[in-house]
Amino acid sequence: DSGVTQTPKHLITATGQRVTLRCSPRSGDLSVYWYQQSLDQGLQFLIQYYNGEERAKGNILERFSAQQFPDLHSELNLSSLELGDSALYFCASSRNRREGNYGYTFGSGTRLTVV
Amino acid sequence: GDSVTQMEGPVTLSEEAFLTINCTYTATGYPSLFWYVQYPGEGLQLLLKATKADDKGSNKGFEATYRKETTSFHLEKGSVQVSDSAVYFCALSDQEGGGNKLTFGTGTQLKVEL
Repeated sequence: DSGVTQTPKHLITATGQRVTLRCSPRSGDLSVYWYQQSLDQGLQFLIQYYNGEERAKGNILERFSAQQFPDLHSELNLSSLELGDSALYFCASSRNRREGNYGYTFGSGTRLTVV
Repeated sequence: GDSVTQMEGPVTLSEEAFLTINCTYTATGYPSLFWYVQYPGEGLQLLLKATKADDKGSNKGFEATYRKETTSFHLEKGSVQVSDSAVYFCALSDQEGGGNKLTFGTGTQLKVEL
């Protein structure tokens, strides 16, 4: 157990729907990162939050949004889902921005299947 | 922008063989470099890291040296085991814009056979 908890582990939904993926960072970690892993795109950085504030944005679609709450858990919202959004979505955390330079801890991921 | 290039797989080896997985990078500044490993059905685990030039990261028999002159961070292991079968990702840290995201290579699948 890495200490980063992601729920649900699996999600199957239809095109056009909206889903919310949840991440609880490791205890004491302030930074949360979201990544998408797909066969054709590999691991793509989506977004980073630090202590509730957005810090960096990657290749995140406008249909996707995220936030980090006061208790530091984070949610990734995916809307108007398309078949191509099917992927593994990983959350990771680090103690602070500087510690991110030393690598961060990943959760086990949420596998999203859009049918 | 920053990028990581690693050798394509799958790499298939016999147990006890020597492993090298090549990784080169392009970056502005002085990033930290990482190897992550992903076992089937699991998330990524940090295998080793190096934060400055000439640093050697090591863990579980794996090693990689941060070579600034060749912009490389090749992963090596002297004697692989069946349990090392996994996908290996090379990555660098990118602090552009105030964040510190990791940029990953495409991953190299390693299969170790008896």
